[in-house]
Amino acid sequence: AQKITQTQPGMFVQEKEAVTLDCTYDTSDQSYGLFWYKQPSSGEMIFLIYQGSYDEQNATEGRYSLNFQKARKSANLVISASQLGDSAMYFCAPRIGGSTLGRLYFGRGTQLTVWP
Amino acid sequence: DVKVTQSSRYLVKRTGEKVFLECVQDMDHENMFWYRQDPGLGLRLIYFSYDVKMKEKGDIPEGYSVSREKKERFSLILESASTNQTSMYLCASSFLDREADTQYFGPGTRLTVL
Repeated sequence: AQKITQTQPGMFVQEKEAVTLDCTYDTSDQSYGLFWYKQPSSGEMIFLIYQGSYDEQNATEGRYSLNFQKARKSANLVISASQLGDSAMYFCAPRIGGSTLGRLYFGRGTQLTVWP
Repeated sequence: DVKVTQSSRYLVKRTGEKVFLECVQDMDHENMFWYRQDPGLGLRLIYFSYDVKMKEKGDIPEGYSVSREKKERFSLILESASTNQTSMYLCASSFLDREADTQYFGPGTRLTVL
């Protein structure tokens, strides 16, 4: 089985501060993609951001950005200017293993709590 | 907007019952997926399908089967429900194109087997 590691089961951050959520993965693939999803308490999985392994620049999407370090096989999610609505579970999900059928491998998630 | 719908948000069934979970997407996606989510375990893939009548086993297919008779609909079947299948079930869909294969999820079905 592919190994995806999110080392922080829980994180706490004050509103308006930045926070980094860690993700490392194990793959011998040279070409792969990496997704981050957010799951609020309502349960729905919401796509946040994507990084391709050959992308030169780190992906950004509004307040979300990826700190992608291919050599270290890590793709940490950075949320700037945290808001109370960012409180949720966050999942890292690489597309690895040589799959051409689009399956993802999910980490166990990090529960982020933003406090006022 | 992509829309993935699941037939029920909450479902309560008894041990031994046959259970059908339905998923429908309206984006003409080739791929469809069924996951289960349990606390502390993340999402685990049960089955997926990349075309009508095609299916592939995921990581935990035991106790489940699937059906895809139409492109927009993917059903998960619990032939004889057991208490250890109490879980949150999430359906997702995506394009087959590797460059555009973001998975979009439905709202989930929380299944309780008594």
